[in-house]
Amino acid sequence: AQTVTQSQPEMSVQEAETVTLSCTYDTSENNYYLFWYKQPPSRQMILVIRQEAYKQQNATENRFSVNFQKAAKSFSLKISDSQLGDTAMYFCAFMSYSGGSNYKLTFGKGTLLTVNP
Amino acid sequence: GAGVSQSPRYKVAKRGQDVALRCDPISGHVSLFWYQQALGQGPEFLTYFQNEAQLDKSGLPSDRFFAERPEGSVSTLKIQRTQQEDSAVYLCASRGDTGREEKLFFGSGTQLSVL
Repeated sequence: AQTVTQSQPEMSVQEAETVTLSCTYDTSENNYYLFWYKQPPSRQMILVIRQEAYKQQNATENRFSVNFQKAAKSFSLKISDSQLGDTAMYFCAFMSYSGGSNYKLTFGKGTLLTVNP
Repeated sequence: GAGVSQSPRYKVAKRGQDVALRCDPISGHVSLFWYQQALGQGPEFLTYFQNEAQLDKSGLPSDRFFAERPEGSVSTLKIQRTQQEDSAVYLCASRGDTGREEKLFFGSGTQLSVL
């Protein structure tokens, strides 16, 4: 079974600064995806960024980038130029696509990020 | 519709009541998932449908939980004889195909409170 650990229950950052959210995972699978989701108070999960495990290059999406360390099973999210609208819960998630189990997302417990003006 | 729609948005039930939660996935989406999110936790997988077939129900916590998708579109999650520990947000998500397309589209969930 896969596990996802987010060790920072809460974090805060000043507007326009950079913040990094941590995530580690445990799996014996070789083929998988990793994700960061944002959940604002509206409760809707919004995909922020994804990483395919076979790709060595770290994914980037505008102000969001990841540091994917496959050997260490680490997948951190960096948010640059933080904006007030980034305030939300952030969830790290894992999905294996081997052995027919290419659909279940396993989530961490989340990190509440607050961006202060 | 343009997104995944869930209803009701809030549901309050007395302990022992039966509840039914509805999910309208994005039109044409083959895969549909239900997740349970307890307060302060990440979502946990409940069950998965491919069209009308329920391929995985390993996450359903007890036989009081039942899900169906009879025509391969709208899905209903039913909880019988609700208990306080069933209080949570129930999220539905859909996905376009059954291949390695990994992007899920989530609804805004139903918040269930059992008193």
